[in-house]
Amino acid sequence: QVQLQESGPGLVKPSQTLSLTCTVSGGSISSGAYYWSWIRQHPGKGLEWVGYIYYSGSTYYHLSLKSRITISIDTSKNQFSLKLSSVTAADTAVYYCARGNYPNPPDYWGQGTLVTVSS
Amino acid sequence: QSALTQPASVSGSPGQSITISCAGTSSDVGGYNYVSWYQQHPGKAPRLMIYEVTNRPSGVSHRFSGSKSGNTASLTISGLQPEDEADYYCSSYTISTNLGVIFGGGTKVTVL
Repeated sequence: QVQLQESGPGLVKPSQTLSLTCTVSGGSISSGAYYWSWIRQHPGKGLEWVGYIYYSGSTYYHLSLKSRITISIDTSKNQFSLKLSSVTAADTAVYYCARGNYPNPPDYWGQGTLVTVSS
Repeated sequence: QSALTQPASVSGSPGQSITISCAGTSSDVGGYNYVSWYQQHPGKAPRLMIYEVTNRPSGVSHRFSGSKSGNTASLTISGLQPEDEADYYCSSYTISTNLGVIFGGGTKVTVL
């Protein structure tokens, strides 16, 4: 059974860069059929795409975040990462990593990690 | 990148059946059989309940079933139980965005 676990700072200052890592266990991140995604949920709100990556390195980002976001993959560590620059309070959310099997929506999700943007 | 349309809330008494709708377009729900449903309890991650419109992952109760008619998908919960009280989200493949998948706005299910 595939498991995903997010890790990273829970508090980030405004204008700085949010950095999160998702560690995948129970399966290889190099499986070509899957995409590895980041999804966020603002407090009390619905699910919002951040973006995703294939093991080949191809990335797809939410258009509203494209100028600030980088998703990368490290197959040697079975991890993928999110960097979101120039954060503001509007980026405060629970961030989930998840696996999907294109063209299906994600199936396995991490437990989520709350990131608060505050000075 | 518009979301799929779900009712804000649905309620029912224990033992009853309820149905949650998820309205899209021919570019997503209506055009493809890649609709998923998630259950989310407070403070928890979304859990996949239905994929490819009608399929249940292993471990999901048979009380949960999915269907589709035209541009609208539906999730039916039969024999409603207190533990079914949660938020439910639909999601679908789409050709309308670069991301290829969109989510619904979510539905709060209340067990009376």
